[in-house]
Amino acid sequence: QSVLTQPPSVSAAPGQKVTISCSGSSSNIGDNFVAWYQQLPGTAPKLLIYDNDKRPSGIPDRFSGSKSGTSATLGITGLQTGDEAHYYCGSWDSSLTGGVFGGGTKLTVL
Amino acid sequence: QAQLVESGGALVKPGGSLRLSCVDSGFAFSDYYMTWLRQTPGLGLEWLSHISNSGSTIFYADSVKGRFAISRDNSKNSLFLQMNSLTVGDTGLYYCARVRPGTIEAFFDWGQGTLVTVSS
Repeated sequence: QSVLTQPPSVSAAPGQKVTISCSGSSSNIGDNFVAWYQQLPGTAPKLLIYDNDKRPSGIPDRFSGSKSGTSATLGITGLQTGDEAHYYCGSWDSSLTGGVFGGGTKLTVL
Repeated sequence: QAQLVESGGALVKPGGSLRLSCVDSGFAFSDYYMTWLRQTPGLGLEWLSHISNSGSTIFYADSVKGRFAISRDNSKNSLFLQMNSLTVGDTGLYYCARVRPGTIEAFFDWGQGTLVTVSS
């Protein structure tokens, strides 16, 4: 059972926009920053978003992040078939004094 | 581009021990906090432990506290995870990664992972 809650799957057509939610609590998302990761099949996770809404260099601006209260959202615009992957949210939990993740969301680009 | 390469994964019996290594091929290893994570079919991604760049600050997940020990050797650009009292639940793909400076929850430059299987 993951500390952060994500929908198991989302889907959308190529070129469309999709959002993935991540719900937590006051001790994690409510008190700390959120990161998002993309995991393509057979590869290690890759950092997409950090500090709620910042993109590392090399990450296209089709990917965006936001946070409100104890929830965060990853947005992906202009969907491509290459975006099909699992997406994970992560944060720090001040009560657990450790990192926490969501269970992951599988994105299907129809 | 600097890479992290994990090794040491193996098949081990319950109650056994393993030592994982993570070698950084770059030149700035000592600048970064480092972390170990694992991925299992049952629990998904799980954070295990952080170590500061000097090794003076360490955090552990409750699931491994008292059984696992993280350490580093900056002179050898290496990170380690000593795993004792292994259980079937510790089976998974173990990753090392850098912690993005200025954050505590953002992990980048993940290695390819090393597989640990705990089974009798």
